[in-house]
Amino acid sequence: DIQMTQSPSSLSASVGDRVTITCRASQSISSYLNWYQQKPGKAPKLLIYTASTLQSGVPSRFSGSGSETDFTLTISSLQPEDFATYYCQQSYSTLTFGQGTRLEIK
Amino acid sequence: QLQLQESGPGLVKPSETLSLTCTVSGGSISSSNYYWGWIRQPPGKGLEWIGSIYYSGSTYYNPSLKSRVTISVDTSRNQFSLKLSSVTAADTAVYYCASHRIVGASQFFDYWGQGTLVTVSS
Repeated sequence: DIQMTQSPSSLSASVGDRVTITCRASQSISSYLNWYQQKPGKAPKLLIYTASTLQSGVPSRFSGSGSETDFTLTISSLQPEDFATYYCQQSYSTLTFGQGTRLEIK
Repeated sequence: QLQLQESGPGLVKPSETLSLTCTVSGGSISSSNYYWGWIRQPPGKGLEWIGSIYYSGSTYYNPSLKSRVTISVDTSRNQFSLKLSSVTAADTAVYYCASHRIVGASQFFDYWGQGTLVTVSS
C-alpha cells in the first residue's frame, strides 16, 4: 500500500492566520490526492479533489497544490469554523488516508 | 443532493459477522457516476477504506480486509450493505457509508452518511 504521511500531526493557529498542511506519499501518486475536513462527531467532508479542484460549496480560502509525492492544503485566512482535523487520501492505488492533522485554536 | 444513512446493530460479539446497510436518498444508486463505499474509523484514530460496489454488483475491496468483507447492492431498495466476518475488538469503529465518485482516474468520497458506531464485545 501507498503510505500517506501528514505533517504536522497537530497545529495551533489563530483566526486570520494562513495555514499550510502537508501530505507526502511513499511513492508517486501523480495528482490523485484528495483532502477532507472532519469535525468531532461528524463525518468527513470533501474539500479538494485531484490535488487542486475545489469541491462545490467549499469556501475559496481553501486551496490545494502539489503532484507526485508532495501535496499541500492551504487555508488562506482561518475562520472559527475551520478548526477541525484534516485528512489527505490517495487514489493512485488501494485507497489510503493520511493519519490526520488536528488544527486547534491558539 | 445525495443523502446516505447507515443502519444496523451497534454491538456485535467477537467471531460473529458485522452487518450494516446504507440507504441512499436524493438520487439513484444505479447512477453510472458512482460507486458506493464503506469507510471505518476506530475511536480516536484515522480513516480506513473497506471497499466499494457499483450498481451492477462489481466490487473491489481493501486487500487488508478482503478475506472477511462482502459488499452487496439492492437497487430496488436503493441500498447497499456491508458484511464483515470473524470480527474482533480491532473492528470496533465508526462505520461510514459514502458515495464513491470516479472522475477519470481520480476517486474520492463526496457524500457521507453520519456514521454508526459498532462495538465488538461479548
